[in-house]
Amino acid sequence: QLVLTQSPSASASLGASVKLTCTLSSEHSRYAIAWHQQQPEKGPRYLMKVNDDGSHEKGDGIPDRFSGSSSGAERYLTITSLQSEDEADYYCQTWGSDIRVFGGGTKLTVL
Amino acid sequence: EVQLVESGGGLVKPGGSLRLSCAASGFIFKKAWLTWVRQAPGRGLEWVGHSKSATDGGTADYAAPVKGRFTISRDDSKNTVYLQMNSLKTEDTAVYYCTKDRYGEPIHEWGQGTVVTVSS
Repeated sequence: QLVLTQSPSASASLGASVKLTCTLSSEHSRYAIAWHQQQPEKGPRYLMKVNDDGSHEKGDGIPDRFSGSSSGAERYLTITSLQSEDEADYYCQTWGSDIRVFGGGTKLTVL
Repeated sequence: EVQLVESGGGLVKPGGSLRLSCAASGFIFKKAWLTWVRQAPGRGLEWVGHSKSATDGGTADYAAPVKGRFTISRDDSKNTVYLQMNSLKTEDTAVYYCTKDRYGEPIHEWGQGTVVTVSS
């Protein structure tokens, strides 16, 4: 079964960096994923696609502060120089030919 | 600019029906997969189902909680995708988002969402 696992919460200080993790089920460790951001009271927006080789493709207008990487079955979203508007829920998402799957989301608090 | 505009949400009683629409623009609609995603109050994102492009088979797939109750259809001449929801349950209460993706790619675009409330 295709499953994505995320920690429920994370926090970091204004101006600092944070690395969020999304873990694929072991038999799907080569799958690419996408990261989506949902700011409070807003709809989600696509941030980037992260491939199993660590390469990533960002959506239009996504700042350079956001980057993606991979290691084994883990996919990461790193945000540097944290700003107040980065406080949001972050969801990873993957896909098969007949299914789409979301992780449970990570609530990022900027201190 | 890609736009996905949902409509049709509202309040419906348990057991009732509702049809959501999503009007799209800014891309070649017939080549896209259109995916519905929902978010219950205070909860995470949940895939509902998708409509494949005609070149990829033109069929729809559904998540287990809605299979047999929800139907996704599309009208490529109107650049519109629909979500017909029957036998609604209170647990179907959510914001429903229309999204765009395609074969082998993640969701790239999101609509603003429409609220569905199932309550007596």
